[in-house]
Amino acid sequence: SQTIHQWPATLVQPVGSPLSLECTVEGTSNPNLYWYRQAAGRGLQLLFYSVGIGQISSEVPQNLSASRPQDRQFILSSKKLLLSDSGFYLCAWSKGLKDIQYFGAGTRLSVL
Amino acid sequence: GQNIDQPTEMTATEGAIVQINCTYQTSGFNGLFWYQQHAGEAPTFLSYNVLDGLEEKGRFSSFLSRSKGYSYLLLKELQMKDSASYLCAVRGGFSGGYQKVTFGTGTKLQVIP
Repeated sequence: SQTIHQWPATLVQPVGSPLSLECTVEGTSNPNLYWYRQAAGRGLQLLFYSVGIGQISSEVPQNLSASRPQDRQFILSSKKLLLSDSGFYLCAWSKGLKDIQYFGAGTRLSVL
Repeated sequence: GQNIDQPTEMTATEGAIVQINCTYQTSGFNGLFWYQQHAGEAPTFLSYNVLDGLEEKGRFSSFLSRSKGYSYLLLKELQMKDSASYLCAVRGGFSGGYQKVTFGTGTKLQVIP
């Protein structure tokens, strides 16, 4: 069966510091991969999606970037965090005709 | 673009039945999803509809009417653990060759004794 791992679970970072969140999927190949952000009491905002290695599409202009160095690895990065980057970051994968998205456990980021 | 509307909050009694509605507007509709999200946790997939009609899975059922841009999630025999937010999501439209999935803001369901 397929599983998705996302870490760390929680992170507290000062403003201006860099960020690296990692997500890996097991049990499938060539999945579609996604990064979402969910602000407190708000909906899911799609940040990036990837349909293959090195193929990244951005949905929202921001100081975040994403990379997919391997088929089942998706990384979310920032060179300098802003206060507004605080939130719940979720990685997801999907594949197949129904293309149902399955989420990792999430990372709660607090930028202070 | 895509637009999804669902009630912000609902309250229901343990053992009862509750229906959570979702209306949407999109071009190129290609699927509607329901997710459950407990507070502080990630969303978990509940159901998928792409054709009109009812999909049943245990205590949960989901209905779709594409002509009306309408779906509902039906929860039967409510349990306290069903207290959570329920997210409606729709796939449609194209962005760079990809059909985007847009999530609603969710309906927070509180189950009371």
